[in-house]
Amino acid sequence: SYVLTQPPAVSVAPGKTATITCAGDNFRFLSVHWYQQKPGQAPVLVINFDGDRPSGIPERFSGSNSGNTATLTISRVEGGDEADYYCQVWDPSSNHVVFGGGTKLTV
Amino acid sequence: DVQVVQSGGGLVQPGGSLTLSCEISGLTFSRYWMHWVRQVPGKGLVWVARINSDETTRTYADSVKGRFTISRDNAKNTVELQMSSLRGDDTAIYFCAADKSGRLFEIWGQGALVAVSS
Repeated sequence: SYVLTQPPAVSVAPGKTATITCAGDNFRFLSVHWYQQKPGQAPVLVINFDGDRPSGIPERFSGSNSGNTATLTISRVEGGDEADYYCQVWDPSSNHVVFGGGTKLTV
Repeated sequence: DVQVVQSGGGLVQPGGSLTLSCEISGLTFSRYWMHWVRQVPGKGLVWVARINSDETTRTYADSVKGRFTISRDNAKNTVELQMSSLRGDDTAIYFCAADKSGRLFEIWGQGALVAVSS
């Protein structure tokens, strides 16, 4: 089955830029989506289709997809950005949705 | 505004059955795919099942196929997950979610805890 690999944890100082990666095979043929989940809450979609921001998501959040790695970038990081972040794709070969293991962002 | 209300979680014995329900208002429900995603507390997200707008396509994760059934009622704006032959590793928070393409999760419910234990 398709596997997405994320670093377990990323740490960043307030005001700096956080970069969270998601590795998988043949990413150029897939769209990658990103979710933010704070403790005790449901996930929130922050980036869809590689780099689009849903309504209400700050411009500080951006995404890219190149080769076998997708990247979520959070600029000017704030304390409120501290959360778990998950990447996700739909795998057409299995017709299944796949999540990465998640990355805990510490600010 | 879109509102999502989940119900039906609880404690069930191994081998038992339980049905989760999710009602969504504030959008044209019949235009959306509906999904169930679960999460063991402290662990990552795992997709469980999805259903398209007219119920002609249902897809399941291998871990629940044959034991869980997803269904929807477009007249009532609800989606259900019928779970049977429950096991300890089905213990998790179950989220319902919605999107227009069937490939991501735009809208999420608040989650319902299912605990399988004797």
